[in-house]
Amino acid sequence: AQSVTQLGSHVSVSEGALVLLRCNYSSSVPPYLFWYVQYPNQGLQLLLKYTTGATLVKGINGFEAEFKKSETSFHLTKPSAHMSDAAEYFCAVRGNTGTASKLTFGTGTRLQVTL
Amino acid sequence: GAGVSQSPSNKVTEKGKDVELRCDPISGHTALYWYRQRLGQGLEFLIYFQGNSAPDKSGLPSDRFSAERTGESVSTLTIQRTQQEDSAVYLCASTLVIGELFFGEGSRLTVL
Repeated sequence: AQSVTQLGSHVSVSEGALVLLRCNYSSSVPPYLFWYVQYPNQGLQLLLKYTTGATLVKGINGFEAEFKKSETSFHLTKPSAHMSDAAEYFCAVRGNTGTASKLTFGTGTRLQVTL
Repeated sequence: GAGVSQSPSNKVTEKGKDVELRCDPISGHTALYWYRQRLGQGLEFLIYFQGNSAPDKSGLPSDRFSAERTGESVSTLTIQRTQQEDSAVYLCASTLVIGELFFGEGSRLTVL
């Protein structure tokens, strides 16, 4: 079984500040990890993913995340926040079992960016 | 089309009525998921189809909920005898066997 915990349902940062959204996972098998973003009144879209290989993955819009097995974490970061980054961010996990399995989402973190 | 298509985009119904929500996945995607997103909450897994395998129905909240998928094409989520707590956005997503999910815009259901 897999699960994710997102710490902080709301995060507020100033424009230009570092964005850090936390995600910890639990998985009985090696995980695939994802971050999705949902902009206001839009559908979810993939921001980045970790499957195998390099543990630091880069996504769209300057976001990146690092898979840390020892910490069971996959935190999302961006060096400098922009007003357009205001959205809801979801971390998700699925098992790396060689066949598809359900994707389990966290409860989401709403990012607010202020001037 | 190129993306996942869901219909209707909005549905308002009376308590006790049945509703059907439709999902057209991306062509060639073998896996299809349904999720529910209540206002201000995260995504709640409902059901998962993978090719001709038996679907994973472990997320369906009650026997009023059912879903079908014909082969690797269209899926229909049916909610019988709707209740007010069924009000939510129902999201469909499709994917290849190992890959990221591509989501539709969702069907917003309001039960009066």
